[in-house]
Amino acid sequence: EPEVTQTPSHQVTQMGQEVILRCVPISNHLYFYWYRQILGQKVEFLVSFYNNEISEKSEIFDDQFSVERPDGSNFTLKIRSTKLEDSAMYFCASSVTSGADTQYFGPGTRLTVL
Amino acid sequence: SQELEQSPQSLIVQEGKNLTINCTSSKTLYGLYWYKQKYGEGLIFLMMLQKGGEEKSHEKITAKLDEKKQQSSLHITASQPSHAGIYLCGAAGSRGSTLGRLYFGRGTQLTVWP
Repeated sequence: EPEVTQTPSHQVTQMGQEVILRCVPISNHLYFYWYRQILGQKVEFLVSFYNNEISEKSEIFDDQFSVERPDGSNFTLKIRSTKLEDSAMYFCASSVTSGADTQYFGPGTRLTVL
Repeated sequence: SQELEQSPQSLIVQEGKNLTINCTSSKTLYGLYWYKQKYGEGLIFLMMLQKGGEEKSHEKITAKLDEKKQQSSLHITASQPSHAGIYLCGAAGSRGSTLGRLYFGRGTQLTVWP
């Protein structure tokens, strides 16, 4: 069964460093998302992406964040200068369409900022 | 924004017992999703409900969306240790939303002891 994959599973970085989190969405899906979950808190929406453009972003997704689909399979989240409060589990998701379509989530990347 | 309250926060049941988890929304629900998460892992899609009064079942798990579309329940019959995990409800932002952003509740931690 097709699934969303994410790499790495765990990333440790120093504050101020740039990190890139990678995702491979399900192949026939057209909509891509990033969410994050700080330990003990709700899963929070960051951004949605369609047709090589950001469709929607939350207030969390500030200028430090960017997303890209560099080729036909990968979808990346870049954090330019990490802060301690960026430590969280980051989930990628994808769906065939948007709106009320089911989003399938990857296993997540645990980001630890020291 | 959409606020989702889940109850209870945690549930400990003996294997074989039935249980119910509730999800109440601050607004009318247009697309209610149930996911299961094991600690530190990704979200596994369980079911999606859209219509008031809708009920769906998969194996021993049944989810319902009430007529007024502001509350959903997830019922597990004859619980097993494999049902243990965190159950999350998620909702689309608004009617006819084409953007796909999901809002999540805090989750219900289910423990099933043998």
